[in-house]
Amino acid sequence: GAVVSQHPSRVICKSGTSVKIECRSLDFQATTMFWYRQFPKQSLMLMATSNEGSKATYEQGVEKDKFLINHASLTLSTLTVTSAHPEDSSFYICSARLAGEETQYFGPGTRLLVL
Amino acid sequence: AQSVTQLDSHVSVSEGTPVLLRCNYSSSYSPSLFWYVQHPNKGLQLLLKYTSAATLVKGINGFEAEFKKSETSFHLTKPSAHMSDAAEYFCVVRRPGTYKYIFGTGTRLKVLA
Repeated sequence: GAVVSQHPSRVICKSGTSVKIECRSLDFQATTMFWYRQFPKQSLMLMATSNEGSKATYEQGVEKDKFLINHASLTLSTLTVTSAHPEDSSFYICSARLAGEETQYFGPGTRLLVL
Repeated sequence: AQSVTQLDSHVSVSEGTPVLLRCNYSSSYSPSLFWYVQHPNKGLQLLLKYTSAATLVKGINGFEAEFKKSETSFHLTKPSAHMSDAAEYFCVVRRPGTYKYIFGTGTRLKVLA
């Protein structure tokens, strides 16, 4: 149980284009979803927290107009990287939390390469 | 402020020998602590968690961790390493009053045949 999927697993795009990444909780309803960024050989950095039906809250230093988050349902959150640039290339990971639990369940990640 | 420090960025052990991955935490409150494992090109998997119940926590795949308040430590151990244990391990503390995680820098475990 508690499976989280991400799509796509890998994406290559041209500089200036926008990329959408989906995060789905497959077998549970996620009260909260989290988006992380992981640089090569580094730890995970929390970007934002999203709750279904409300605006995402962003960590300090994360541009909310750059990284648009939509949490349209209890099983789906999307991260859109707008006007992507090469420095946005990274591994993006989402996680989801059930109501009443503190444990986060992680997706497999999406590797973004911006050329 | 809450934080976790993973003392070793790389650990190498021989197959069949014990594993010790060290984690120290800093927290003003009784923390919630977690260990996650990340295999290459895969998502993070929860190994175990401490939430102020028993100080010795048993997890999956033979891993366990002991919460030691006097030492502010939460080290991960396994009696006998298996080749499949080779991965990146993260110690995590939950930020009090929130459901946000703070990750350690990770320890890469290498298991030698």
